[in-house]
Amino acid sequence: EAAVTQSPRNKVTVTGGNVTLSCRQTNSHNYMYWYRQDTGHGLRLIHYSYGAGNLQIGDVPDGYKATRTTQEDFFLLLELASPSQTSLYFCASGRNTLYFGEGSRLIVV
Amino acid sequence: AQSVTQPDARVTVSEGASLQLRCKYSYSGTPYLFWYVQYPRQGLQLLLKYYSGDPVVQGVNGFEAEFIKSNSSFHLRKASVHWSDSAVYFCAVSARTEGADRLTFGKGTQLIIQP
Repeated sequence: EAAVTQSPRNKVTVTGGNVTLSCRQTNSHNYMYWYRQDTGHGLRLIHYSYGAGNLQIGDVPDGYKATRTTQEDFFLLLELASPSQTSLYFCASGRNTLYFGEGSRLIVV
Repeated sequence: AQSVTQPDARVTVSEGASLQLRCKYSYSGTPYLFWYVQYPRQGLQLLLKYYSGDPVVQGVNGFEAEFIKSNSSFHLRKASVHWSDSAVYFCAVSARTEGADRLTFGKGTQLIIQP
């Protein structure tokens, strides 16, 4: 079965802090995605990639950077975290049929 | 750009009753449509998908959905719900944007099952 692993699962940081969320998939999928989930908004696409070194901008990219270092690894970077980025973040891999990680809960105080 | 509307943020159904969760999409091309389910404290899991062919597609746990092109709808149905169906359900549409595939989700419908 497809596997997507996210870390850390929980993170608290201060405003202005630097945060990196990591995602690794073992499915040999080309596509990987970062979403944020907020009450009243559902899932919103931040960044996605269809291969190592590729990056595509999603619907809510402001304040986020991403990097796809290998086919397996996709990172989401918050270089100056703000309270508005407090959210539940999901990584997924696949094309059309997505396999999701268990989420990373980030709190910015 | 594509979009998905789930008009009901919350639906309450009695156990054993039938269910319909509504979904309407907007996309100019041929859509690939999906329903995902999210149980508490978990990621999303695929329930069913429609690519082409028979407009009624079957999914896991007795769920089905019907693609109605004329209405741009892809409603989810189940004949008899069980308490374990309590979850949040997301409708999604896949589309190619600037040469890359992306999945756009609706805001989700929380399903509450009453005993």
